[in-house]
Amino acid sequence: EVHLVESGGDLVQPGGSLRLSCAASGFTFSSYEMNWVRQAPGKGLEWVSYISRSGDNTYYADSVKGRFTISRDNAKNSLYLQMSSLRAEDTALYYCARTTVITLDYWGQGTLVTVSS
Amino acid sequence: QSALTQPPSASGSPGQSVTISCTGTSSDVGGYNYVSWYQQHPGKAPKLMIYDVTKRPSGVPDRFSGTKSGNTASLTVSGLQAEDEADYYCSSFAGSNNQMVFGGGTKLTVL
Repeated sequence: EVHLVESGGDLVQPGGSLRLSCAASGFTFSSYEMNWVRQAPGKGLEWVSYISRSGDNTYYADSVKGRFTISRDNAKNSLYLQMSSLRAEDTALYYCARTTVITLDYWGQGTLVTVSS
Repeated sequence: QSALTQPPSASGSPGQSVTISCTGTSSDVGGYNYVSWYQQHPGKAPKLMIYDVTKRPSGVPDRFSGTKSGNTASLTVSGLQAEDEADYYCSSFAGSNNQMVFGGGTKLTVL
């Protein structure tokens, strides 16, 4: 059974940094592209970032480009999102999602990031 | 990249059919056959219901169907059931640098 578990969410001050993790199990992690998607409280879904199977290719939403870095460790079956220069508008539930040809076929339960002083 | 346009709400009675639209541009919905639909119940993670415009993942009832015409994709839920009440989001591939874009979501109410 596919299982994705996010962690690392926390309360952080504006301008601060945070690293999110996503532990994958139940499938061959290195065979799948991965994405991060976020959802602000009471709002809709927003795509954040993509990473290829090897990690060689990454893409970002304009809203986070230059501040967030996606990475993965296939040996550890883990996906990461390094977040810096955090803003209030980055407050959201962050989901990791397994990706099969653009489709987000499995999602984790999310980890909450709150940016506030 | 602008979000895809969905109606904020839709409703229907049990047994009826309801269709939710998702309008984009030729750079996303109209340009690729990579439209997906996700169902999200309150407090839960999104669940894939339709992918590649018309395909259903294993386990999704055939009451759910997807279509596309031009820059507008649609999700139809037939034979509405109480458990279909949820938020529904469409998404589309938006080119290699933009990867994907979501709709604003539609709250489906089963009356």
